[in-house]
Amino acid sequence: LAKTTQPISMDSYEGQEVNITCSHNNIATNDYITWYQQFPSQGPRFIIQGYKTKVTNEVASLFIPADRKSSTLSLPRVSLSDTAVYYCLVGDRGKSTFGDGTTLTVKP
Amino acid sequence: DTGVSQDPRHKITKRGQNVTFRCDPISEHNRLYWYRQTLGQGPEFLTYFQNEAQLEKSRLLSDRFSAERPKGSFSTLEIQRTEQGDSAMYLCASSSMTGNTEAFFGQGTRLTVV
Repeated sequence: LAKTTQPISMDSYEGQEVNITCSHNNIATNDYITWYQQFPSQGPRFIIQGYKTKVTNEVASLFIPADRKSSTLSLPRVSLSDTAVYYCLVGDRGKSTFGDGTTLTVKP
Repeated sequence: DTGVSQDPRHKITKRGQNVTFRCDPISEHNRLYWYRQTLGQGPEFLTYFQNEAQLEKSRLLSDRFSAERPKGSFSTLEIQRTEQGDSAMYLCASSSMTGNTEAFFGQGTRLTVV
């Protein structure tokens, strides 16, 4: 299972765009990249998934370079409620390795 | 609510006792996963089922842990002779088998061994 590396923590202010980068140098050909959000005492919640290039949904964008050894989650115009831990995963659906995540703190 | 359901939400037990947790996945999902999460860490994969077959077990799943999914629907995770180190959040997730769709997680069962 591919190992991921993310910053431990990030701070931002309301209304700003936040970019969280994840390194996954050993990603396998069949692996997808998935990002989850987790609030305290809750299970992780799916944000976005991609294989290559760029994926966008109603809450985030995911940028994946051609070599797929990293990915960047982009959250536009964050609010206080986006304060959470964000996990980058590579692998096959639920059989994925969670790292320690990035704790995002959004300040007013 | 048709999401992943876990029961109980909280469990306090004495060291040495056995505990069992239940997970009800999203009804049309073939795959079911168990994870363990300790404070400040990301979830650690324990095991997964495709229908009733247990296809993979992590080396984290010691002999004291056993998981079943007898009819390919709900699943149970049993921990025998609990130890204080078993204190954690136990998360269940499910996904479909086709394509590479995401796994949906339940709220978890928080186990405290005293």
